[in-house]
Amino acid sequence: GIQVEQSPPDLILQEGANSTLRCNFSDSVNNLQWFHQNPWGQLINLFYIPSGTKQNGRLSATTVATERYSLLYISSSQTTDSGVYFCAAQDTGGFKTIFGAGTRLFVKA
Amino acid sequence: GAVVSQHPSWVICKSGTSVKIECRSLDFQATTMFWYRQFPKQSLMLMATSNEGSKATYEQGVEKDKFLINHASLTLSTLTVTSAHPEDSSFYICSARTSGRLTGELFFGEGSRLTVL
Repeated sequence: GIQVEQSPPDLILQEGANSTLRCNFSDSVNNLQWFHQNPWGQLINLFYIPSGTKQNGRLSATTVATERYSLLYISSSQTTDSGVYFCAAQDTGGFKTIFGAGTRLFVKA
Repeated sequence: GAVVSQHPSWVICKSGTSVKIECRSLDFQATTMFWYRQFPKQSLMLMATSNEGSKATYEQGVEKDKFLINHASLTLSTLTVTSAHPEDSSFYICSARTSGRLTGELFFGEGSRLTVL
């Protein structure tokens, strides 16, 4: 099945800094999503982005499907951005969505 | 608002008892739902695919007799942890696609935190 790798595993930022999170996947995908898991465990949908670029406020994402990677950009980070960011991919061969290991982000005030 | 709802949010039970977790799709029909499990500080691991009107498909290593899945209607899937033991303590979370198809954006319930004493 498809493999999903995320980097970096951990990231500490000073409030106001920018960051880029990366997601590599091993095979072609039907779907690629980015989630933010809050301290209560709830998964918040950030982007549904099988290809191309999208922006939502301070967040944006780009997926280059032909090169099998996706990037999540966080600009002007805030303490409320802290948490775990997951990327998840659904391969073209089946219907399962597989998660990467996540990037644990801590933004310092 | 949430499009997938789970209940209960948390449950504490004694070892040997069974616990049922419900996952409902709100305002849409879900022929397929997915159950994940997450241990502390780890990623989400797919346990099984729940199919309305038919048997669930379990991932390798997941005991189907331990984790009973029933998808009796287009808006409800249930996960029953049978004869729960402390090692079953975990965060269980379900998901579905609003498209109702096998592709499309995936939405998650709030999750259910199970603690087995």
